[in-house]
Amino acid sequence: GAGVSQSPRYKVAKRGQDVALRCDPISGHVSLFWYQQALGQGPEFLTYFQNEAQLDKSGLPSDRFFAERPEGSVSTLKIQRTQQEDSAVYLCASSSRQGDRGGYTFGSGTRLTVV
Amino acid sequence: SQQGEEDPQALSIQEGENATMNCSYKTSINNLQWYRQNSGRGLVHLILIRSNEREKHSGRLRVTLDTSKKSSSLLITASRAADTASYFCATGLIQGAQKLVFGQGTRLTINP
Repeated sequence: GAGVSQSPRYKVAKRGQDVALRCDPISGHVSLFWYQQALGQGPEFLTYFQNEAQLDKSGLPSDRFFAERPEGSVSTLKIQRTQQEDSAVYLCASSSRQGDRGGYTFGSGTRLTVV
Repeated sequence: SQQGEEDPQALSIQEGENATMNCSYKTSINNLQWYRQNSGRGLVHLILIRSNEREKHSGRLRVTLDTSKKSSSLLITASRAADTASYFCATGLIQGAQKLVFGQGTRLTINP
């Protein structure tokens, strides 16, 4: 597609509920990133995929967070047993293999509110 | 944790004036990028400067990089109301070069 698409745009979850956030990267982009952005803060790195391989998951805050990209295209970020501190905007970005030449393309994000 | 710190945190100027935002970082970098974020939207890539470059221009944007001081600046000339947004610097690290580490951002308001 023309850009990075994320769904849903907004998600309200009750505390303890599991959620799944979807990212459709730009077709052919090898690298895919997930970031978490709290209100008024800069994005914080969560995890990185190169094709289907998850090469860096050092930013995942707990074992309740899980990400996958089984076929090297669409990615899903899953949060189990959501807590109020998980409320944030979750941003997905993709880049070509030579991504650092042109920066990363971000989606519009999923705003998660845990009540 | 975030590596970059932007200064100022908020900036309000009149349309037509120039806006300067600064970014400092802590560790060695491969490149530094600037992004813009409009309220409620995703980030838009503005410009990338490599660690061996000192200055780069793109339209009304001018970016400088001083690796000895671990700092960068973004200058927007002849500002427009549409430039109102948050601006973030992001560093591509030498270690783990694929991921970007973002600063806290500068909230820029252009008054008509």
